[in-house]
This record gives sequence, structure tokens and C-alpha cells, in this order.
Amino acid sequence: QSALTQPASVSGSPGQSITISCTGTSSDVGAYNYVCWYQQHPGKAPKLMIYDVSYRPSGVSNRFSGSKSGNTASLTISGLQAEDEADYYCSSYTSITHVIFGGGTKLTVL
Amino acid sequence: EVQLVESGGGLVQPGGSLRLSCVASGFTFRRYWMSWVRQAPGKGLEWVANINEDGSEKNYVDSVKGRFIISRDNAENSLYLQMNSLRAEDTAVYYCAEGRWERQDQWGQGTLVTVSS
Repeated sequence: QSALTQPASVSGSPGQSITISCTGTSSDVGAYNYVCWYQQHPGKAPKLMIYDVSYRPSGVSNRFSGSKSGNTASLTISGLQAEDEADYYCSSYTSITHVIFGGGTKLTVL
Repeated sequence: EVQLVESGGGLVQPGGSLRLSCVASGFTFRRYWMSWVRQAPGKGLEWVANINEDGSEKNYVDSVKGRFIISRDNAENSLYLQMNSLRAEDTAVYYCAEGRWERQDQWGQGTLVTVSS
């Protein structure tokens, strides 16, 4: 099973909003509301930012939001800040291999 | 504060073995599924294996089935990954994480495994 498809990179200026897409299939993203988003700064461990498509763990800024339409999930970061510059990975439960990750998106804050 | 601390990584020759450990603190370890997730250098994340609360259910990604064994010791708040018949493609940072499949809530800092001659 191939990885979920994410754009390799996105960028935005401080204060702007950006959206990262995560495209799967009817066996993963489209079938289950178990999409997560992780933030990973260089050399650090991933951090859970969104779970179950649109829920934020305690302590995660409300500038981060998630949504899903069909086979594509999205992460939106509003009011972009320098500290948001990181790699972002989506993941989904899948009936085939249980969990599948996206290839990752590098967010650059200009 | 939740902490997951991995150890046991290092350089190993192809065909060799390593045992990774993860010590948990700050939460009731025995009540949670635990996973290992790896990340090859410069690459994305890959789920490797998970284990249920009492160790009676274990699951593996196809590429490690028959070579890796996940286990846990709830009395010691510890998670393990025994890796045998290691291959170059197993080279990665291995993360211990709290969670099953749907999400991984907490992650350790990772331990690097390098398989090379």
C-alpha cells in the first residue's frame, strides 16, 4: 500500500494561513475518521497535533485545525508563526495495513 | 509529565541483532497499547509494531514479520523490540510511542539503529 500523498513543501508568511492536504483512498482516509497530523521539528520526535480528523490534544494551539472531505484530509494552520516551521505528517487507519503515513510536508515560514 | 526514553540503538552488521528498550513514566503504562514507529534517514514515518495492554496481542508491518519481536514488562514500565536478521533497510531512528494504530499520543526521543558492514 502506497503512502498517503502530501505536497512536499508549502510556505507562508507570518500571520497568514496555510493548508496541507493528505490524499488517500477509500480504504484509509475515505473509510475512517481516524486521520492524525503530526508536527516534527528537525532532530525531534513527532508531536500529535490533530487526531480523529479534527480534534486537538490538550495543549495544542487552536490555530491548528483539521478536516476531511472524501479521500482527502487537510491540516490548516492559521496565524502562521515562525515556530510552526517544521515537517508535518498525516496518518490514517487503514483496513489493509492498519496504519499508513503520508510522505511528509515541509512547512517554511517566510 | 509523560516520558518515553528509548535505548539500545547502535551500529550492527547485516544479519545481526539488537534489542531496543523503552522506559515509560508519567502515565499508567499497563493500561495502554504501545507501538514502535521508525523513520529512515531523511524519510517519512513507518509504523513497525504494536502490542496491547497485557501483551497478548501483537501486530507487525509485513517487512519485519518473523524478524522482529515486540514485548513489554508492565512491572518495569518497559517496552522492547527484539530485532533479528537485520537488513540495511532497517536503518532508522526507532521511536517508542503510546498508542495503537489510530493515533500515537506520546513519543520518545528515538534511538538510531544503523545496519552496515
